[in-house]
Amino acid sequence: AQSVTQLDSHVSVSEGTPVLLRCNYSSSYSPSLFWYVQHPNKGLQLLLKYTSAATLVKGINGFEAEFKKSETSFHLTKPSAHMSDAAEYFCVVSDGGATNKLIFGTGTLLAVQP
Amino acid sequence: DGGITQSPKYLFRKEGQNVTLSCEQNLNHDAMYWYRQDPGQGLRLIYYSQIVNDFQKGDIAEGYSVSREKKESFPLTVTSAQKNPTAFYLCASSTRTAGTGANVLTFGAGSRLTVL
Repeated sequence: AQSVTQLDSHVSVSEGTPVLLRCNYSSSYSPSLFWYVQHPNKGLQLLLKYTSAATLVKGINGFEAEFKKSETSFHLTKPSAHMSDAAEYFCVVSDGGATNKLIFGTGTLLAVQP
Repeated sequence: DGGITQSPKYLFRKEGQNVTLSCEQNLNHDAMYWYRQDPGQGLRLIYYSQIVNDFQKGDIAEGYSVSREKKESFPLTVTSAQKNPTAFYLCASSTRTAGTGANVLTFGAGSRLTVL
């Protein structure tokens, strides 16, 4: 069965410093992986997705993630945090089956300090 | 602009009452989904529908019901049988569910239900 673990429930960075949000997955085959962002009381927005093409995936707003099969990881990074990046981030794995069921991580709340 | 509209944004319910949350999309997507979000638990799938007049239970369907009479609409009813209905409910849609690759979900802005 597929699963996803977000290693940090809260991350705090200073504006202008790098962001690292960690995600590990478990899958019996080559998974599809996603990062979504959610601002307070809003729906989720796709940041980026990995679907077995390039292992380094670039997303919106300067975010990127690297798929590392040997480490079963899909960590999200950004070189320089902006105040507007403060939000909750979800790592998601797809089961790839006919139902396209998505398994969501429990989320990482990113705080950006001025 | 294409998107998903959820209403109402905030809803208060007395215990024992059924309530219906609306979800409408104009993206021409075949598949629609309902998720429940609780603090610290991520999103959990309630029901999904791949085509009109067909839907399947997700992981936490007990106490909920849905219908899919039109491609654009997928309302969710929270019944009095749902023991802990206070939560944030998110509707989503995607272009297709079968085949290779995985499809991106487009989410609505959510509906927050509070039981008094």
